[in-house]
Amino acid sequence: AQKVTQAQTEISVVEKEDVTLDCVYETRDTTYYLFWYKQPPSGELVFLIRRNSFDEQNEISGRYSWNFQKSTSSFNFTITASQVVDSAVYFCALSEAVTSNTGKLIFGQGTTLQVKP
Amino acid sequence: EAGVAQSPRYKIIEKRQSVAFWCNPISGHATLYWYQQILGQGPKLLIQFQNNGVVDDSQLPKDRFSAERLKGVDSTLKIQPAKLEDSAVYLCASSPRPGTLGAFFGQGTRLTVV
Repeated sequence: AQKVTQAQTEISVVEKEDVTLDCVYETRDTTYYLFWYKQPPSGELVFLIRRNSFDEQNEISGRYSWNFQKSTSSFNFTITASQVVDSAVYFCALSEAVTSNTGKLIFGQGTTLQVKP
Repeated sequence: EAGVAQSPRYKIIEKRQSVAFWCNPISGHATLYWYQQILGQGPKLLIQFQNNGVVDDSQLPKDRFSAERLKGVDSTLKIQPAKLEDSAVYLCASSPRPGTLGAFFGQGTRLTVV
């Protein structure tokens, strides 16, 4: 069965600290996609990154970086030098390309990040 | 480019009443999703449309929920009659086509059933 687990419910850091959000997934498909979304207080889900199961290269975008490890079924997200504007709920999501290739997203429960000034 | 539009933003109703939500996806996006997000949880797919046809409604409580996308553009989601446990944010999302591109989300409608 497909499942996404974000074990950290809430994280609180002080501005400029680095923070890593964990994501562990389960799927039987060999082809799948992983996503991170940010949900600020306004409510909409903002797309951050998509990664396919065949590409294990880490990615860096400004202060954001992602570490994908198939061996441990993890897709972790790191914010370097956090800022108050990073405060939000972050969701990891999975989309399977074989079992359910409709683009349906399976979300984790989310991690609430609070960055204090 | 305009994003996914949803209305209303907030709605409070009494249990057993009916309610409808509206969604206008990004222009040209053939795939439309409705997700339900209960407080403290991740969004869960209720129904997916490809143009005006239903692709997946396996998680839709069909005894009380219905949705349509008549002309393959706008969509409405209806709950009749509402229960207390339907209190949630209802998110609409769209994608250019089905598959694994993810989706673009609207701001959602926060429903409170009292």
